[in-house]
Amino acid sequence: AQSVTQPDIHITVSEGASLELRCNYSYGATPYLFWYVQSPGQGLQLLLKYFSGDTLVQGIKGFEAEFKRSQSSFNLRKPSVHWSDAAEYFCAVGPFSSNTGKLIFGQGTTLQVKP
Amino acid sequence: ETGVTQSPTHLIKTRGQQVTLRCSSQSGHNTVSWYQQALGQGPQFIFQYYREEENGRGNFPPRFSGLQFPNYSSELNVNALELDDSALYLCAGGQGGSPLHFGNGTRLTVT
Repeated sequence: AQSVTQPDIHITVSEGASLELRCNYSYGATPYLFWYVQSPGQGLQLLLKYFSGDTLVQGIKGFEAEFKRSQSSFNLRKPSVHWSDAAEYFCAVGPFSSNTGKLIFGQGTTLQVKP
Repeated sequence: ETGVTQSPTHLIKTRGQQVTLRCSSQSGHNTVSWYQQALGQGPQFIFQYYREEENGRGNFPPRFSGLQFPNYSSELNVNALELDDSALYLCAGGQGGSPLHFGNGTRLTVT
């Protein structure tokens, strides 16, 4: 079965501390992998994506993620968290084919940032 | 700016009624996908349209239907509303393997 698991429902970090959000996926084919962020009452904003190539991908707002095929993981990291990073973060996986918008999302991780 | 606009932003309906949600996508987005996001959950894929034809459907009943128009706009229709249909409905535009661009969603409340 195809699925995405985000083990941490809620994470609290202090401003300036490092961050890692975990994502594990189960997918029968070569996946596209994504991280999206959602602020309250807003839609989803793409942080970064992995299609192929270098397994460490850089995104917007200082985020990066590393694809590890052997562990079926795609963890999101940031060296120093800012208060404005408080939001909901979603990992998603999609098929490696064109013309399809069927993404499977994880349940999300809520990030709280302490001053 | 994602190039995807949804209307209305909020909507309240009564159980049993019908609702139409609208989405306008920028030129070049030849696919449109709709997602349902219940409170505290990740988005769930409803269906996708490509060149005005349904091109993939998630685990949603037939009372969820849609349309895609030549001008890159789209509609999501839900008949016989149920309380569990209360959710944020997200529209996403895309093109051939590129990441989806999401609108800000329509918050539907069914009472």
